[in-house]
Amino acid sequence: QKEVEQNSGPLSVPEGAIASLNCTYSDRGSQSFFWYRQYSGKSPELIMSIYSNGDKEDGRFTAQLNKASQYVSLLIRDSQPSDSATYLCAVIVNSGYSTLTFGKGTMLLVSP
Amino acid sequence: DAMVIQNPRYQVTQFGKPVTLSCSQTLNHNVMYWYQQKSSQAPKLLFHYYDKDFNNEADTPDNFQSRRPNTSFCFLDIRSPGLGDAAMYLCATSSPYRDSQETQYFGPGTRLLVL
Repeated sequence: QKEVEQNSGPLSVPEGAIASLNCTYSDRGSQSFFWYRQYSGKSPELIMSIYSNGDKEDGRFTAQLNKASQYVSLLIRDSQPSDSATYLCAVIVNSGYSTLTFGKGTMLLVSP
Repeated sequence: DAMVIQNPRYQVTQFGKPVTLSCSQTLNHNVMYWYQQKSSQAPKLLFHYYDKDFNNEADTPDNFQSRRPNTSFCFLDIRSPGLGDAAMYLCATSSPYRDSQETQYFGPGTRLLVL
């Protein structure tokens, strides 16, 4: 059974702080990892993808992957109230076509 | 702009009255997915098409069917909606051959309400 676990939150941070969102996965064969942002009533929007161990930075967002620990995280620097949303972690186990397994998401609240 | 389009955005139906949700894409992706998402839950994959090949998830109820008449369009048919089928239905696409990262792109979703 493929599982992706996230703390449901809410995670509350003040404006300008760093928000740290965490995700663990059960299948050691997992190869591709995604972070989606979902505003209430809207569809998921891709924020970051990562495939290799280490850090990947894109603007205020940094994804971190540690395959040995089966752990992937998303850091949001200089958090803004507009970052308030649910962040979904998603994993693909096999390359060459496979389906996404989503976590339940972590709700992030950024207060002004 | 290339995109995934879903119609309608909101659908109200009556208990037991068949309903069809539509998804179209201009990305020319060969894989199309249908997800069901209920409040505060993760998106749940119902089924997907790899080109014309239909792949049904084991726990998808028979009440849910799908059609893909061509590359661009995919339909979700709910034959006899129950109150428990009220949810957001999400269509997504990907192109594993062109994108080794297999990124999925989501449409805006259709919110289904069953009365």
